[in-house]
Amino acid sequence: SQKIEQNSEALNIQEGKTATLTCNYTNYSPAYLQWYRQDPGRGPVFLLLIRENEKEKRKERLKVTFDTTLKQSLFHITASQPADSATYLCALVYQAGTALIFGKGTTLSVSS
Amino acid sequence: GAVVSQHPSRVICKSGTSVKIECRSLDFQATTMFWYRQFPKQSLMLMATSNEGSKATYEQGVEKDKFLINHASLTLSTLTVTSAHPEDSSFYICSAVGGNSPLHFGNGTRLTVT
Repeated sequence: SQKIEQNSEALNIQEGKTATLTCNYTNYSPAYLQWYRQDPGRGPVFLLLIRENEKEKRKERLKVTFDTTLKQSLFHITASQPADSATYLCALVYQAGTALIFGKGTTLSVSS
Repeated sequence: GAVVSQHPSRVICKSGTSVKIECRSLDFQATTMFWYRQFPKQSLMLMATSNEGSKATYEQGVEKDKFLINHASLTLSTLTVTSAHPEDSSFYICSAVGGNSPLHFGNGTRLTVT
């Protein structure tokens, strides 16, 4: 069965640094991959979507890459701020209209 | 603002009672809604997929008679936890998609069964 692994449960960095989160998957490549932010007691909030034929997507301080050879996506937050502290979830979609399959998430803590 | 509204945000009920959770898409027609369940420090686990006007498709291991899903309109889906037990206590999250929009999530419902 398909597995999704996010590299670590927790990541602690200093304000101003770049946070890099990793999402690895097994078996076949998804149609697209999404990154979400989840704050405690809240539902996930959509951040970025990248399709299998795209290498990179950017949105303000966020950047996502998608390497189908490595079966990996990297999620970067540049110039991190304490307000970026949250859990970040990687999710895969294999066919449009079907459900997302989520990783367990990485909890990012940015200290000032 | 929120595009998917979920209600209630928190509910406490006694063992044996039923609880209904509503999920509404606010400014788009949701052809498909998904219901997830999340335990602390765990990923979201898909429970069922519901398409408007048809029966929900449940994931393996999810009891359809216990978790009743109704998707009667393009803007509303409901999840009813019947005869709730303490082990049903969890965070339930709905999500909705329509057209080419990405998936949007509600803010979740924290269910506590005493």
